[in-house]
Order: sequence, then C-alpha cells, then structure tokens
Amino acid sequence: AQSVTQLGSHVSVSEGALVLLRCNYSSSVPPYLFWYVQYPNQGLQLLLKYTTGATLVKGINGFEAEFKKSETSFHLTKPSAHMSDAAEYFCAVSGNNAGNMLTFGGGTRLMVKP
Amino acid sequence: SQTIHQWPATLVQPVGSPLSLECTVEGTSNPNLYWYRQAAGRGLQLLFYSIGIDQISSEVPQNLSASRPQDRQFILSSKKLLLSDSGFYLCAWSVAYNGEQFFGPGTRLTVL
Repeated sequence: AQSVTQLGSHVSVSEGALVLLRCNYSSSVPPYLFWYVQYPNQGLQLLLKYTTGATLVKGINGFEAEFKKSETSFHLTKPSAHMSDAAEYFCAVSGNNAGNMLTFGGGTRLMVKP
Repeated sequence: SQTIHQWPATLVQPVGSPLSLECTVEGTSNPNLYWYRQAAGRGLQLLFYSIGIDQISSEVPQNLSASRPQDRQFILSSKKLLLSDSGFYLCAWSVAYNGEQFFGPGTRLTVL
C-alpha cells in the first residue's frame, strides 16, 4: 500500500521568501512522484514529476523538488515566492498498479503575504 | 494535443434529484479515466476509475455510479442526490503506466 503525507495543511510566506512544502511518502515499489497545483475553482495542473534519473526535478513557474530515497521525501521548493503562487498544492505517488492510480496527500494551501 | 472537457461547470440541484456529469477527452485513445471528488476543506477522493469501455471500478460505496459508453467519454450519475454529494468533481485521464494524470476543469455541484 502507498501513502502520502503533506506536513502542514496551511503554509504562509512573505512575497520574495523561500517556499518549502513538505511531502513524505511510503511505497513498497520504486515510486513515481508528482506535485500538482490547484487554483481556486480549477482542476489540478502538473507542476513537476520524478520518474527515474536525476533526483532534482525542475518544474514550471520556478518550482523544483528533490527525491530523497533515504528520507522517503519529495519536498517542493521555490527560491522566491510570488503572489501568484498562492494556491493549493498536492503531492502524489504512483507505483505499479493497474489503472495507473495515484495516491494523493491531503494538500497544502500556500498563502503569500505582500 | 490532448484536451479534457467537463460539463456543466456549475450545477445546483435539490436533494433527491438525479445527476449526470459528463467528461470527454480529445486527442488520445484508450485512456484510463477517473472521477474524483473534493468536498469543502478536504482533499481528493477517488470515486471511480476505468481502464476501458464498460470496465469501471468503484473505490468507495456511495449513491453514485459511473459509465463509459465510449472510449473517451466518462459519465458520473446518481438517481437521488444527497446533501453530502455536494463538492467539486474532477475528471482525469492518463495513458502511461506510472505516468501522470491530466485533470479537467471540474464541476462545482451544490445540493440544496
């Protein structure tokens, strides 16, 4: 069975500050990991993904995440927050299941203060 | 390129009324299809997934049902809505094993 834990349902940062959203997973097989962003009343948009290879993954809008197997983590970072980054962020894991189902974390709402 | 459509975008229905939400995908073949629900203040709940026409699996017991009459069409239905069915319904598709899912714009359902 797989699970995803996102520490902090709400994170608040000042504009220009570092963004760090935490994600820890458990998986019995090598995981594929994803970060999605959701703006109010919209669907989820893929920010970045890790499948194999380089453990530091760069995504859209200046976000990146690092896969750390020893820590079973896939934290999302951005060096400098922008007001437009305010949204809900979901971490997800996929692994060897028919139907390509994803297991999602509970989500983290990012608030950016001016 | 692939696109996914959902309609309606918003819906207000009385308790006990029927429901039909539609999702269609363009630009791909044999996709896996998914229905999720987001209740207010809660995360994503997978309701149904389908790996082919007439091949649908239910993840949670409820008064909802899903059908896939065509390869790229996925329908979510209910005969009698409950207040607890209110939420934001998302359809998604994927084609790659262990690949990402792509989400539609969602339908906001309010049951009164």
